[in-house]
Amino acid sequence: GQNIDQPTEMTATEGAIVQINCTYQTSGFNGLFWYQQHAGEAPTFLSYNVLDGLEEKGRFSSFLSRSKGYSYLLLKELQMKDSASYLCAVRDAGGYNKLIFGAGTRLAVHP
Amino acid sequence: KAGVTQTPRYLIKTRGQQVTLSCSPISGHRSVSWYQQTPGQGLQFLFEYFSETQRNKGNFPGRFSGRQFSNSRSEMNVSTLELGDSALYLCASSSRGGTQYFGPGTRLLVL
Repeated sequence: GQNIDQPTEMTATEGAIVQINCTYQTSGFNGLFWYQQHAGEAPTFLSYNVLDGLEEKGRFSSFLSRSKGYSYLLLKELQMKDSASYLCAVRDAGGYNKLIFGAGTRLAVHP
Repeated sequence: KAGVTQTPRYLIKTRGQQVTLSCSPISGHRSVSWYQQTPGQGLQFLFEYFSETQRNKGNFPGRFSGRQFSNSRSEMNVSTLELGDSALYLCASSSRGGTQYFGPGTRLLVL
């Protein structure tokens, strides 16, 4: 079966750091993606991990542990504009570009 | 480079009608994937096309179909519309094995 779990909602304060976790159980694995989606807009690409470890890109970092079926997205120096849904997605091993998405984590950043 | 474009952006149909949605990928991208996003089910994979061939299909009924043209533009069609087909339909394009970039989506309302 395919199962991707993320917390439904999180809140954080402007300037703080927040970590959004994602656990997955999928029949195949060929990389994990994080997307950001503002209300009423399309998802935008944030990060990609296919090997274990940390990938850093500015204020955003993403970590992957394939043996644990676990990833997290770390957002530093939070800004109000970071209020959005964050989607974790696993690329199916034999599925070329088939992405299996989690339900998303709605992050609210407060002043 | 121009991003992924989708037309129309909004559509209202009645039950039993059919609808065709269009997607133009980023220049040079030959893979186009389609997803349905609803509040209850989240983002779900419909199908993927590469070089005019369907490479993968999600768990949707046969009323959902698609095609890709030689210029990589893609269309998806939904026949005999049902109320439950109301959703945001997103297409994403990628280079071979690369990151998927999403278009703005077509918001379909079935009355």
